[in-house]
Amino acid sequence: GESVGLHLPTLSVQEGDNSIINCAYSNSASDYFIWYKQESGKGPQFIIDIRSNMDKRQGQRVTVLLNKTVKHLSLQIAATQPGDSAVYFCAENGSGGGADGLTFGKGTHLIIQP
Amino acid sequence: DAGITQSPRYKITETGRQVTLMCHQTWSHSYMFWYRQDLGHGLRLIYYSAAADITDKGEVSDGYVVSRSKTENFPLTLESATRSQTSVYFCASTGQGSTEAFFGQGTRLTVV
Repeated sequence: GESVGLHLPTLSVQEGDNSIINCAYSNSASDYFIWYKQESGKGPQFIIDIRSNMDKRQGQRVTVLLNKTVKHLSLQIAATQPGDSAVYFCAENGSGGGADGLTFGKGTHLIIQP
Repeated sequence: DAGITQSPRYKITETGRQVTLMCHQTWSHSYMFWYRQDLGHGLRLIYYSAAADITDKGEVSDGYVVSRSKTENFPLTLESATRSQTSVYFCASTGQGSTEAFFGQGTRLTVV
């Protein structure tokens, strides 16, 4: 069936370096792809989204890239800080535009080394 | 307080018991959702609601029921709890035309 998944379960980076978290998706009908951050003991928090007709979107210290040809999504975090340590999920809103919920990947745990 | 709140934060119940998890949001968001989060599965959709009195099943709805008599509340009931329903449950809400879902802090449910 359709699914959203992640290439790596754990990513360890040095503080100050850039982080790149990857995601593969299979539902081409989704019109939005979204990244969420989940800190320990908390609910997921929206980071950034990208519409399917775009290939790049930038936020504050984050950039999301969308490659529809290979159905790949990535989140780049610039100058990684200790507060970036969390589990990151990609999600897609499916053909229902999000009204019928999101499909989440399994998550990547980002670990920041001092 | 403004936002989306879940209660209780932690719950231990026995197999076969009925248990209700509460969710309340103060934004008057149209859409509300229940997800469960398990190791190895990420977040999976249990039920969703587009408005008061409109609810629909998600991917893993068996054993759960919901209601939405008021826009701001979306309780989730486990009619007869099973050990496989031990999980962390998250409620979320989204405004009309928005892609940003706001999540509660979660309820950790243990069924013994």
